[in-house]
Amino acid sequence: DADVTQTPRNRITKTGKRIMLECSQTKGHDRMYWYRQDPGLGLRLIYYSFDVKDINKGEISDGYSVSRQAQAKFSLSLESAIPNQTALYFCATSDSGTKAGETQYFGPGTRLLVL
Amino acid sequence: GDSVTQMEGPVTLSEEAFLTINCTYTATGYPSLFWYVQYPGEGLQLLLKATKADDKGSNKGFEATYRKETTSFHLEKGSVQVSDSAVYFCALRDYSNYQLIWGAGTKLIIKP
Repeated sequence: DADVTQTPRNRITKTGKRIMLECSQTKGHDRMYWYRQDPGLGLRLIYYSFDVKDINKGEISDGYSVSRQAQAKFSLSLESAIPNQTALYFCATSDSGTKAGETQYFGPGTRLLVL
Repeated sequence: GDSVTQMEGPVTLSEEAFLTINCTYTATGYPSLFWYVQYPGEGLQLLLKATKADDKGSNKGFEATYRKETTSFHLEKGSVQVSDSAVYFCALRDYSNYQLIWGAGTKLIIKP
């Protein structure tokens, strides 16, 4: 079984709809992240969480919200989707104990299309 | 602020060719440097890393050396295979914050 899972894998929605993307991990890591990937722009950080009670905005948090329901679960919501939120979304985790060489582990991604 | 610049792709090579993908960075302090790879339809995975100057990271035949004097972390492989076709991302992590700063990615296409 995959260590970091994301649901759904693909989603088509309409402008103005609220949607939620979910991420679960079995790695036991305390840190979790949400990124979006757009062609030619690399990855941009949306939100990150260092533990259940610690949630922080990333580079591009406007239009998004998150919930850390448990150490293993981190959800991303688009309250009112718009077409420029069409992108590939990745969840990632890391272990705070490794410090400098901290590796992030990625889920398979959710491809979102907003019409 | 910190940034990472990668060579633009796509890079197209024949099988068994030598590969170099350039990566340069700007950062305050002493960052750790990473290469991640994204195979088609998958998430990113760590390929190699280096946490201090002159360190060499290596994995699966790929190598990259942390060069502080040229602020570079170029990815190299002596003989590429079709299975190396993927998108490669260079990234840095600074001690002063916990975020990874990503390059735009370089798509590599290997032809048989």
